[in-house]
Amino acid sequence: KAGVTQTPRYLIKTRGQQVTLSCSPISGHRSVSWYQQTPGQGLQFLFEYFSETQRNKGNFPGRFSGRQFSNSRSEMNVSTLELGDSALYLCASSLGGAEQMGYTFGSGTRLTVV
Amino acid sequence: AQTVTQSQPEMSVQEAETVTLSCTYDTSESDYYLFWYKQPPSRQMILVIRQEAYKQQNATENRFSVNFQKAAKSFSLKISDSQLGDAAMYFCAYRSASTGANSKLTFGKGITLSVRP
Repeated sequence: KAGVTQTPRYLIKTRGQQVTLSCSPISGHRSVSWYQQTPGQGLQFLFEYFSETQRNKGNFPGRFSGRQFSNSRSEMNVSTLELGDSALYLCASSLGGAEQMGYTFGSGTRLTVV
Repeated sequence: AQTVTQSQPEMSVQEAETVTLSCTYDTSESDYYLFWYKQPPSRQMILVIRQEAYKQQNATENRFSVNFQKAAKSFSLKISDSQLGDAAMYFCAYRSASTGANSKLTFGKGITLSVRP
């Protein structure tokens, strides 16, 4: 079965712009989580969506937002980009229930802000 | 809040030998899951092994096994018969067994494993 698909793979944006990243989870998975990975801070949780509702949110400013559609695909948006937003953004999908069989990650979107 | 600590930033192992990667965590919860993920240069995080806190038996997946010490809050990964393809960054991660507000993975800083031919 198809894995988690993230698009685009690479992105270069200018400070002040906004960006939208997309994630298509594994078929049947209802939970999509987003993580930011940087060399300095490591992997940090952004937010999780389950059945189109945000179920959990990390400690990121309001410039970071997301949504989930009825087909479980998710998008995250970053507005007013800053140099510090340069990172690998990873999406992870799971069934979303209490029984955690593990998350399946996509290959990420590498965002560079110049 | 839960924390995960991987104190060794780098390790090296000879091909075909065994290596153990350390991980400790801190939590006040009694029911949770622990994971080891592998991240090769391709960037995709790959699940290596999973352990449920309520199970005393250590998880095993082929050449990968864990030593789960719940009282000590320790969760180490043993890789036997190391192969060149095992070279990657390895992350230890924690997740509460509850859904909702705690439904997230908390990662350690990771350890870079190199395999010498």
